[in-house]
Amino acid sequence: DTGVSQNPRHKITKRGQNVTFRCDPISEHNRLYWYRQTLGQGPEFLTYFQNEAQLEKSRLLSDRFSAERPKGSFSTLEIQRTEQGDSAMYLCTIRGENTIYFGEGSWLTVV
Amino acid sequence: RKEVEQDPGPFNVPEGATVAFNCTYSNSASQSFFWYRQDCRKEPKLLMSVYSSGNEDGRFTAQLNRASQYISLLIRDSKLSDSATYLCVVRAPPGQGGKLIFGQGTELSVKP
Repeated sequence: DTGVSQNPRHKITKRGQNVTFRCDPISEHNRLYWYRQTLGQGPEFLTYFQNEAQLEKSRLLSDRFSAERPKGSFSTLEIQRTEQGDSAMYLCTIRGENTIYFGEGSWLTVV
Repeated sequence: RKEVEQDPGPFNVPEGATVAFNCTYSNSASQSFFWYRQDCRKEPKLLMSVYSSGNEDGRFTAQLNRASQYISLLIRDSKLSDSATYLCVVRAPPGQGGKLIFGQGTELSVKP
């Protein structure tokens, strides 16, 4: 039990389609982060929320990407008009008092 | 320049070897430092936090040098099960969102 559930775990989509990933923390945590990891690289920060407020967005988050956390609990990350370069693992983390919980990640393959 | 830089890999070592990973970070205001282990196609898992005084957990020893902004991980008596990618991770200061900044990872392969 990682404390964070991500869905779907795997998604294959055609270029140009929209995809949405969901992150569900099992308990309430103020801060929720999204990262992207491509092959051979470490995860890179995309954006984070303090409760429902999106406080920071990386330059990696182009205008095709949008993230929400409407009630300060679960979060969604939508990618519009997917491109092959979007193929990656999308990781959600939440920050507990002394621990960072990682979701198992959502793998996206754009063909 | 990347905010967190690690030794390029892969490291291929025999069982029982001692292997050392190095990492540098650029933000001198960073306050928290970690080593994570990542298995293929899995999420990163915390291996150990790194403290200024240095800390040890079994066969693993981590060191932090704030003056030179350098972090290291030493694995003694390596096992086949140590084969993984090791990520050096720095947490941005609270005023900068507290996000995790990852190195690119160093792949370790321990051979029989």
